[in-house]
Amino acid sequence: AQTVTQSQPEMSVQEAETVTLSCTYDTSESDYYLFWYKQPPSRQMILVIRQEAYKQQNATENRFSVNFQKAAKSFSLKISDSQLGDAAMYFCAYRSADSNYQLIWGAGTKLIIKP
Amino acid sequence: NAGVTQTPKFRVLKTGQSMTLLCAQDMNHEYMYWYRQDPGMGLRLIHYSVGEGTTAKGEVPDGYNVSRLKKQNFLLGLESAAPSQTSVYFCASSYGVNEQFFGPGTRLTVL
Repeated sequence: AQTVTQSQPEMSVQEAETVTLSCTYDTSESDYYLFWYKQPPSRQMILVIRQEAYKQQNATENRFSVNFQKAAKSFSLKISDSQLGDAAMYFCAYRSADSNYQLIWGAGTKLIIKP
Repeated sequence: NAGVTQTPKFRVLKTGQSMTLLCAQDMNHEYMYWYRQDPGMGLRLIHYSVGEGTTAKGEVPDGYNVSRLKKQNFLLGLESAAPSQTSVYFCASSYGVNEQFFGPGTRLTVL
């Protein structure tokens, strides 16, 4: 069975600086998708970025980028120029490419932004 | 376009009571999901549906039932609530393999 591990329960960063959130996963599959979701205090789960395993190029979305290391089964999220609005819980999730479509979630990392 | 909506937002039940959570989506998505979120843990899938009239068990289905009579609605039922079901419940929908869109959540407390 697939598992997703986020080893950092909490991280803090100074406003305008860069922070990296870690995520590792375990799978025997070769085709899958990885996601980072953000959950602010409002509780709404929002997709931040998505990576297809078959793509070698790391996904980027404005200030958010990932470092996808398929062999190491690592999928870290880098947030550049951190802003107060980035404060939230961040969840890493895995989905198999088969017909199941279920997401396997990590336990989350709480990101604190210091003004 | 409201996206994914959930009713109610908050609810307090006594042990043994029953209730139904309603999820509605207006994006014409085939796939819908019910998750629960507990402190210190990621979301766990309760049940999901890959189309109208179909449902399937997820990771933690015990104590819950679901129905998908209409494509846009996915109902989650608790027949006899237990304190262990105190949680935040999220509904999500997706169009096939694409991203899942989430509702705002329902905070349920069972006394």
